[in-house]
Amino acid sequence: QIQLVQSGPELKKPGESVKISCKASGYTFTDYAMHWVKQVPGKGLKWMGWINTYTGKPTYADDFKGRFVFSLEASASTANLQISNLKNEDTANVFCARGGVRGVMDAWGQGASVTVSS
Amino acid sequence: DIVLTQSPALAVSLEQRATISCKTSQNVDNYGISYMHWYQQKPGQQPKLLIYEGSNLASGIPARFSGSGSGTDFTLTIDPVEADDIATYYCQQSKDYPTFGAGTKLELK
Repeated sequence: QIQLVQSGPELKKPGESVKISCKASGYTFTDYAMHWVKQVPGKGLKWMGWINTYTGKPTYADDFKGRFVFSLEASASTANLQISNLKNEDTANVFCARGGVRGVMDAWGQGASVTVSS
Repeated sequence: DIVLTQSPALAVSLEQRATISCKTSQNVDNYGISYMHWYQQKPGQQPKLLIYEGSNLASGIPARFSGSGSGTDFTLTIDPVEADDIATYYCQQSKDYPTFGAGTKLELK
């Protein structure tokens, strides 16, 4: 069965960096895109961008350009999100989601909690 | 960006019908396909795909869920509502860079 398993919760200080991983199984990793979605606790879903798992080309939503980097370890069927120079407003749950045909997000990771606090 | 508008909450009785609407700021159809998808999210869980391309039921989703609409007006219907359906429902468009509605919280009346 298709599974996306994300790394565990992170507690960081402002200015630090964090790397979140998303390990896929149950399908051919490079056949599907990987999206990243942010959810502030108690709020809605916000698309951060996506990475083409075949070419490695990332695309970032406007609000996530600069401090955010999508990367791959294709041999390990893993997508990564690195956030640098963390700010309090980066506190959120971050989900990876498999990108199907025509932009649907048809499988989701369990979410990774990032807390930024001094 | 394409803006998606949902009502914040809907109160419904068990075994009744729930209709959740999503209106988009631009047409999200293209060549007869609606680039509109619906997700369910329960507290503490990840979102789950219910409906894709406007009206197609995702794998493993009960037939009491259905989607309809086109252009700028879309509806998710749950009929009949069961206790397990109490959750927040999000619409999402993929005609342009993906955007989500703010979510509709389904509550028991």
